[in-house]
Amino acid sequence: GAVVSQHPSRVICKSGTSVKIECRSLDFQATTMFWYRQFPKQSLMLMATSNEGSKATYEQGVEKDKFLINHASLTLSTLTVTSAHPEDSSFYICSASGPSGGAFFGQGTRLTVV
Amino acid sequence: AQSVTQLGSHVSVSEGALVLLRCNYSSSVPPYLFWYVQYPNQGLQLLLKYTSAATLVKGINGFEAEFKKSETSFHLTKPSAHMSDAAEYFCAVRSFSGNTPLVFGKGTRLSVIA
Repeated sequence: GAVVSQHPSRVICKSGTSVKIECRSLDFQATTMFWYRQFPKQSLMLMATSNEGSKATYEQGVEKDKFLINHASLTLSTLTVTSAHPEDSSFYICSASGPSGGAFFGQGTRLTVV
Repeated sequence: AQSVTQLGSHVSVSEGALVLLRCNYSSSVPPYLFWYVQYPNQGLQLLLKYTSAATLVKGINGFEAEFKKSETSFHLTKPSAHMSDAAEYFCAVRSFSGNTPLVFGKGTRLSVIA
C-alpha cells in the first residue's frame, strides 16, 4: 500500500526557535497533501492544504506566517513552525491522497516547545 | 459541507465481546468513508474504507463496517474484542472527487476489559 513518511517523530525545541517537519509520499506522487493538528484527547483538525507548486490554502484561524508550508515536489511537503511558543506544542500529522481514493497518514510529529 | 458524528466518546467492552462503534455522516455529495485507529502517541492506521463499491467493507484485524445510505451510517464492528483493540477510533468522511481533506469525527476510545 501507499506509504507516507513523516519526520521527525518527536522534537523538543526552545521557545522562539523554528521547527521543520517533513512529509514524504514514498511510493506515489501526491499533488495535494494535508496538514492536521491534534490536541491531547481530541480529534484531528485540518490546518492547511498543501498543493504542489502553488501556495497552501489555510483553514480559518490558522496563522499563515507561523505555519509555513512548502510543497516543492510531488513527494515532499514541509511544515515549518516559526518562532514556536509553548502553545504550539501539539501532535502534527500529514496526509496525502493516494491510489484508489485512499487517504494515507504519516506517523505524526510530537512537538514540545519549552 | 460534510460532517461526521461518532456516538459515544468512550466504549468499554469485555474481551471476547462484540465491538460496535457508531458513526453517522452528513454529506451533500457521495462520500468516501473511513475508519482509522490511533494508538497513544502514534499516527493513524487505516482500518477500512468505503469508496462506493461493496456496502459491507472488511478491514484489517477482523473489523468490518457497513455503509447504509438510508441511515447515513457507517458503524464499525468486530465480533470478538481483543485486548490489543484498545485504542482511539476515528470515523472520517470526504467527498468522492478530487483531492479533498478528510473531516474527522471526535473519536471514540475503546477500552477492553479482561
